[in-house]
Amino acid sequence: QVQLQQWGAGLLKPSETLSLTCAVYGGSFSGYYWSWIRQPPGKGLEWIGEINEINHSGSTNYNPSLKSRVTISVDTSKNQFSLKLTSVTAADTAVYYCARGHRDSSGYYYPDAFDIWGQGTMVTVSS
Amino acid sequence: QSALTQPASVSGSPGQSITISCTGTSSDVGGYNYVSWYQQHPGKAPKLMIYDVTSRPSGVSNRFSGSKSGNTASLTISGLQAEDEADYYCSSYTSSTTVVFGGGTKLTVL
Repeated sequence: QVQLQQWGAGLLKPSETLSLTCAVYGGSFSGYYWSWIRQPPGKGLEWIGEINEINHSGSTNYNPSLKSRVTISVDTSKNQFSLKLTSVTAADTAVYYCARGHRDSSGYYYPDAFDIWGQGTMVTVSS
Repeated sequence: QSALTQPASVSGSPGQSITISCTGTSSDVGGYNYVSWYQQHPGKAPKLMIYDVTSRPSGVSNRFSGSKSGNTASLTISGLQAEDEADYYCSSYTSSTTVVFGGGTKLTVL
């Protein structure tokens, strides 16, 4: 059974860099897209971006509203992927989730379907 | 990219059916058959309930079904049960090769 376990600093000051890591256990890492999604307190979900690990591509795709501040990277030797968000402000306060992009039994990929999620990490930005 | 539009809340009694709408544009919902639905209970991560507009992942009850017409997708839950009370979010692929979510709908089982 595939599980995602994530960790990272939960309290940041404005202008600092948010850094989170997500480890993949119990399944293939290289055959999927891996994403980060966040949810401000009491609000809806926001897609941050993804990294393509199908055939070890390593290509990334980001939400245009965050693109200048976001980097998603992988460490294939550890089956982990990471999120860095620079110059954080109070508006970046949210629960951050890592998630796996869904592929069906024939291997077809669905870009907006996330079938396995991490437990979430609450990140608070406050001075 | 603007969030997809969902009603803030819907409600229904046990055993009834409810439908949640998700309205976008021709650049997202209307342009692709990539619409998904998620269920989120308080304090929990979202759970994928529908993908590919109408497909259910393994293990999801067939009481959950999806559809789409034009720029609006819909999630229908039949035979409403107490455990269905949760927040529901739609998502769609966009012409910018990104993913956009709806604002969420709170389902109350009366």
